[in-house]
Amino acid sequence: GESVGLHLPTLSVQEGDNSIINCAYSNSASDYFIWYKQESGKGPQFIIDIRSNMDKRQGQRVTVLLNKTVKHLSLQIAATQPGDSAVYFCAETPGGYQKVTFGTGTKLQVIP
Amino acid sequence: KAGVTQTPRYLIKTRGQQVTLSCSPISGHRSVSWYQQTPGQGLQFLFEYFSETQRNKGNFPGRFSGRQFSNSRSEMNVSTLELGDSALYLCASSRLGTSGISGGNTDTQYFGPGTRLTVL
Repeated sequence: GESVGLHLPTLSVQEGDNSIINCAYSNSASDYFIWYKQESGKGPQFIIDIRSNMDKRQGQRVTVLLNKTVKHLSLQIAATQPGDSAVYFCAETPGGYQKVTFGTGTKLQVIP
Repeated sequence: KAGVTQTPRYLIKTRGQQVTLSCSPISGHRSVSWYQQTPGQGLQFLFEYFSETQRNKGNFPGRFSGRQFSNSRSEMNVSTLELGDSALYLCASSRLGTSGISGGNTDTQYFGPGTRLTVL
């Protein structure tokens, strides 16, 4: 199978602080990007998405930023809560029914 | 609306056996994708089915196969199990397909809870 990374970086954040999770994507043809949250023992859960014709999109307490020049995606979580503790994956696809490629994932630990 | 369901949730098999996993997509969703998740390799795409046809395939050996039924339910089969097949197998459904983008609309995948397969 395709490799999507061997190590899981961890981000520790104090409760109430803002979190920024970064993701570098590889395919310059990618047109659609998604952030997923995966809690222990559960499947990934959709958080927010963004298309390549945008550079910023906001949801409830979350913001996704896209920098196509350097192929970088970030997820900002405002006022991080203990319930935000999970592994966060970015995903990319060229669209047109092409398959989705997932990043390595970042583990977010919220310190109460 | 009920979410994606997968059965069984946990499964223990021995090397050489075969296994069949089942996925029921969200009502109205016609696309089902399967992923393998392991600590070392992360989330890897296995294949996608849309309207009973395999539309996309990842880089997995032929021991991994799948099918989709007319009601969009999907099954995944792994034959001649190996120790390295131990993983969480996730199914995701979407309305049109793996991020099918048509008319400017995005199409999100919704994941089930997964089947934890352990091969002894």
